[in-house]
Amino acid sequence: AQSVTQPDIHITVSEGASLELRCNYSYGATPYLFWYVQSPGQGLQLLLKYFSGDTLVQGIKGFEAEFKRSQSSFNLRKPSVHWSDAAEYFCAVGTTGFQKLVFGTGTRLLVSP
Amino acid sequence: EAQVTQNPRYLITVTGKKLTVTCSQNMNHEYMSWYRQDPGLGLRQIYYSMNVEVTDKGDVPEGYKVSRKEKRNFPLILESPSPNQTSLYFCASSSATNEKLFFGSGTQLSVL
Repeated sequence: AQSVTQPDIHITVSEGASLELRCNYSYGATPYLFWYVQSPGQGLQLLLKYFSGDTLVQGIKGFEAEFKRSQSSFNLRKPSVHWSDAAEYFCAVGTTGFQKLVFGTGTRLLVSP
Repeated sequence: EAQVTQNPRYLITVTGKKLTVTCSQNMNHEYMSWYRQDPGLGLRQIYYSMNVEVTDKGDVPEGYKVSRKEKRNFPLILESPSPNQTSLYFCASSSATNEKLFFGSGTQLSVL
């Protein structure tokens, strides 16, 4: 069965600094990969997704992620963090698409002034 | 406005008292799903539905029931709630071709 690991529970980044959130997955074939963001008291919102093709995918709000098959990773990046990016971020993997997603445990991003 | 609506937003109940959490979407989506979110565990899928009258178990279906009689509605039923079902519940929907999940705002359930 597939699984997802987000090794960082909390990350604090200064406003304007770059950000990288880590995500490692376990699955034998090429998975469907997603990053979602959850603002306090809200549901989840899709940031970006990878199914195939170019391994660097662009998402909303200036985020991007890179699929690295050799490292079984799908890390999320942003070159300059804004205070409004403070939220919880979830990586998710699916084997046949979005129908049965396995989510990671999440990384809470704190942005310091 | 396109949205997924869950009700209620907050619910406190007692062990064994049947309850239903409603979920409705106005986007004509074929796919709907229920997740529960617990600290340190992320989101785990309870049930999902590919279309009307088609439902299937997710990873943690025990103690829950669902039905999909209409395309827009996907209620979650707890026939005999227990304290270990205290959690934050999310409903989500998607079209069959878009692969983007739209989430509701969540239902915080406490079972005493």
